[in-house]
Amino acid sequence: SAVISQKPSRDICQRGTSLTIQCQVDSQVTMMFWYRQQPGQSLTLIATANQGSEATYESGFVIDKFPISRPNLTFSTLTVSNMSPEDSSIYLCSGAGEPTDTQYFGPGTRLTVL
Amino acid sequence: SQKIEQNSEALNIQEGKTATLTCNYTNYSPAYLQWYRQDPGRGPVFLLLIRENEKEKRKERLKVTFDTTLKQSLFHITASQPADSATYLCALDINSGYALNFGKGTSLLVTP
Repeated sequence: SAVISQKPSRDICQRGTSLTIQCQVDSQVTMMFWYRQQPGQSLTLIATANQGSEATYESGFVIDKFPISRPNLTFSTLTVSNMSPEDSSIYLCSGAGEPTDTQYFGPGTRLTVL
Repeated sequence: SQKIEQNSEALNIQEGKTATLTCNYTNYSPAYLQWYRQDPGRGPVFLLLIRENEKEKRKERLKVTFDTTLKQSLFHITASQPADSATYLCALDINSGYALNFGKGTSLLVTP
C-alpha cells in the first residue's frame, strides 16, 4: 500500500488569490490523480497528473484554473488559481498503480475562499 | 451520461445486524467496481474491488456482489459494529483506467 500526505491540510484564502497544494507519496505509483469534493457531494475527478508532461483534465476543468505538476513519480502539486468562493472544497490527491487497481487517498486539503 | 446512484438516505441499523448498501449504475460497462469508506474529514479508504467477471467477493465481515446484468452492486457488512459507522462510496473505473467515478455515498450509522 501507499501512504499519501498533503500540505496544507486546510487554508482560508481571499478571493482572487492562488493556492498550491502539495501531494507526496511514500512509494512509487504509476498514476496520480486530483479530485475535488464539494460540501455534501462525492468526489469529482479534476485531472490525471502525468509525470514530466501536461496533466490530463476532465471535462469542466482547465489548466489555467488548475495547473498541475508532477516532476517525479512520488510528488505532485495542484494550484487553484484566481480563487472564488465557488472553489471552496476539499481537494484530494490519490495514487494508484501496479500490482493492484486500488487507489490510495491523501487526507485532503480543506479550502475556504472568502 | 454515466450515472452512479447510491441510497441517498442514511442507513441506521442496530449493532450485530447486517448492513446492506446498494450501488446502481447506468450507461456504464465498468471493468471493475470498488467500495471505499470515508470518515468525516478524511480521505476515502479502499475496502474491496470486484471485477466484471466476478459475482461475489469477501473480506472478513465484508461482502460485495456485482451483477452486470442488473447494473448493480450490493455491499454487505455482517455483524455490524458502531465503529463501522461512516460514509460508504461506490466507484467505477473510467474507461478501464485507474481513474474513478464515485457515487455520492451512503451514510451508515450503527447504534449499540
